[in-house]
Amino acid sequence: LAKTTQPPSMEAYEGQEVNVSCSHTNIATSEYIYWYRQVPHQGPQFIIQGYKDYVVNEVASLFISADRKLSTLSLPWVSLRDAAVYYCIVTDWGSGTYQRFGTGTKLQVVP
Amino acid sequence: GGIITQTPKFLIGQEGQKLTLKCQQNFNHDTMYWYRQDSGKGLRLIYYSITENDLQKGDLSEGYDASREKKSSFSLTVTSAQKNEMAVFLCASSIAWGGADAEQFFGPGTRLTVL
Repeated sequence: LAKTTQPPSMEAYEGQEVNVSCSHTNIATSEYIYWYRQVPHQGPQFIIQGYKDYVVNEVASLFISADRKLSTLSLPWVSLRDAAVYYCIVTDWGSGTYQRFGTGTKLQVVP
Repeated sequence: GGIITQTPKFLIGQEGQKLTLKCQQNFNHDTMYWYRQDSGKGLRLIYYSITENDLQKGDLSEGYDASREKKSSFSLTVTSAQKNEMAVFLCASSIAWGGADAEQFFGPGTRLTVL
């Protein structure tokens, strides 16, 4: 199971686009990349998942490098509600292991 | 849509006490999980259940037991509560445990305090 590495914290102004990176240098061909976020006093909430290339939904977009060792979550026009801890994890379909949540990236949004 | 319900919301116990936390989901998901989150820290997996009759240990299973009573419910027992395990316990479920269907839906958590 690939280990993920994220910056511990980031800061952005309201209205900015924010890119949160995640390194998963040992990612296996069977692994998918998931992103969640967690605001205080709530459980994590799914944002987006992908396997390769580029994925977009109504909340965010996810770019995955060609070698799949790096993924970047992009949040357009952040607001104060986007202040949260962002977790990148990988899942493995067939190896018998499971996804692990690391310590994530704490995003602070400045008005 | 569906929902995950965790009971109780707050649980206060004495050191050495056996305590049980309950989780129900109405998504009809196969896989369920129990996590522990200490204050200001990330989530650590305690137990998970891939399907109704399955039980798997996570990274933090020592001191805990789990039971998947039926597809919709998953219980966690703290076998002997310790003061250093005061934390929020989060239950989650997903369609499957890997691949593209492993999106987890989380409950609101049970906050455990040990006196």
